[in-house]
Amino acid sequence: GQSLEQPSEVTAVEGAIVQINCTYQTSGFYGLSWYQQHDGGAPTFLSYNALDGLEETGRFSSFLSRSDSYGYLLLQELQMKDSASYFCAPQTGGFKTIFGAGTRLFVKA
Amino acid sequence: NAGVMQNPRHLVRRRGQEARLRCSPMKGHSHVYWYRQLPEEGLKFMVYLQKENIIDESGMPKERFSAEFPKEGPSILRIQQVVRGDSAAYFCASSPPRSSGVDEQFFGPGTRLTVL
Repeated sequence: GQSLEQPSEVTAVEGAIVQINCTYQTSGFYGLSWYQQHDGGAPTFLSYNALDGLEETGRFSSFLSRSDSYGYLLLQELQMKDSASYFCAPQTGGFKTIFGAGTRLFVKA
Repeated sequence: NAGVMQNPRHLVRRRGQEARLRCSPMKGHSHVYWYRQLPEEGLKFMVYLQKENIIDESGMPKERFSAEFPKEGPSILRIQQVVRGDSAAYFCASSPPRSSGVDEQFFGPGTRLTVL
């Protein structure tokens, strides 16, 4: 079967660093994407890891370990506007992308 | 380059009516995906289409739901005889050909369907 686990909620303060973990179990795996979604808005793409290691894009970094079926999204220098839901999304066999329930990030002043 | 367009943005239907949701992918994108999202929940995959082909419809309910992506025109998600449980946000996403190597999907603004 297929499963996806990430924390339901995370709270952090402005300027801090937060890590959102994701473990997955899929039939076939090509890579792991991360998306951000603000309340009432559409998901927007943040990053994609096809290979093991860290990908950095500005304040956001994403990590993948294929052998552990594990990845994380790292957000640095948190800002209030980072309050949103974050979805890890493994790309499975047949190029179907699976989205979980997401992690709601609350950034406090 | 216009983004993914969906219309209508809001749709109200009474139980038993039909709902038609439209999605125009980004220019140059040949892959379209439909997702359903209930309040406070994640995105649930429904169907993956390429032009004139349904690639994966494993997330589509067996009855009342259908999708198409014709050679010309937008992709259509059709829900027949809607019920209250169909009320949700329906997002369409598109992506370029797989040769790009990155699984990046571009989402439309969604259609909020309310069934009375």
